[in-house]
Amino acid sequence: AQSVTQPDARVTVSEGASLQLRCKYSYFGTPYLFWYVQYPRQGLQLLLKYYPGDPVVQGVNGFEAEFSKSNSSFHLRKASVHWSDWAVYFCAVSMSTGGLSGKLTFGEGTQVTVIS
Amino acid sequence: NAGVIQTPRHKVTGKGQEATLWCEPISGHSAVFWYRQTIVQGLEFLTYFRNQAPIDDSGMPKERFSAQMPNQSHSTLKIQSTQPQDSAVYLCASSLDRTGGPVQNTLYFGAGTRLSVL
Repeated sequence: AQSVTQPDARVTVSEGASLQLRCKYSYFGTPYLFWYVQYPRQGLQLLLKYYPGDPVVQGVNGFEAEFSKSNSSFHLRKASVHWSDWAVYFCAVSMSTGGLSGKLTFGEGTQVTVIS
Repeated sequence: NAGVIQTPRHKVTGKGQEATLWCEPISGHSAVFWYRQTIVQGLEFLTYFRNQAPIDDSGMPKERFSAQMPNQSHSTLKIQSTQPQDSAVYLCASSLDRTGGPVQNTLYFGAGTRLSVL
């Protein structure tokens, strides 16, 4: 069965510093991978998505992620964090057999706290 | 485009009462998903419709929970005889759900309905 693990429940980062959030997946087949962000009292918003091809994908607000098949990872990065990045970040894998399903399996989420 | 609309945003019920949650997907999207979010369990898949037909309800509790999509513009999640453990944020999402990978299968989420069972 597919699964996603985010090993860091909480990350604290200084404003302006770089950020990396880790995501490990387990999936038999071709994974479609996503990063979503959830701001307080809001739903999930898509940051970026991976489709088999270029392993580095660019997202919104300066976020990017790198897919590694050998490490079964899809880590999220941002070069310079802003206070507005204070949120919970979720990694997800899609079971998209033949592209007919967008059903997502989510990781546990990582709470990012930004300090000045 | 207003995005996925969920109503109400907050619902408080007494133990044993019924709760109905509403979701209006993005116009033109053919798939609707329901997820439940709690601190302990995280984000759990509940059920999924495509073109109004139920496709996968593997995450739905077998008792008391039901979901319907009577037309392409809304879906409902009904919980009968609510229990305190049903307290959660219920998230609805929609997608184009066509072949071709994540561009078409990207889920767009509503803001959620926070259900509190007293």
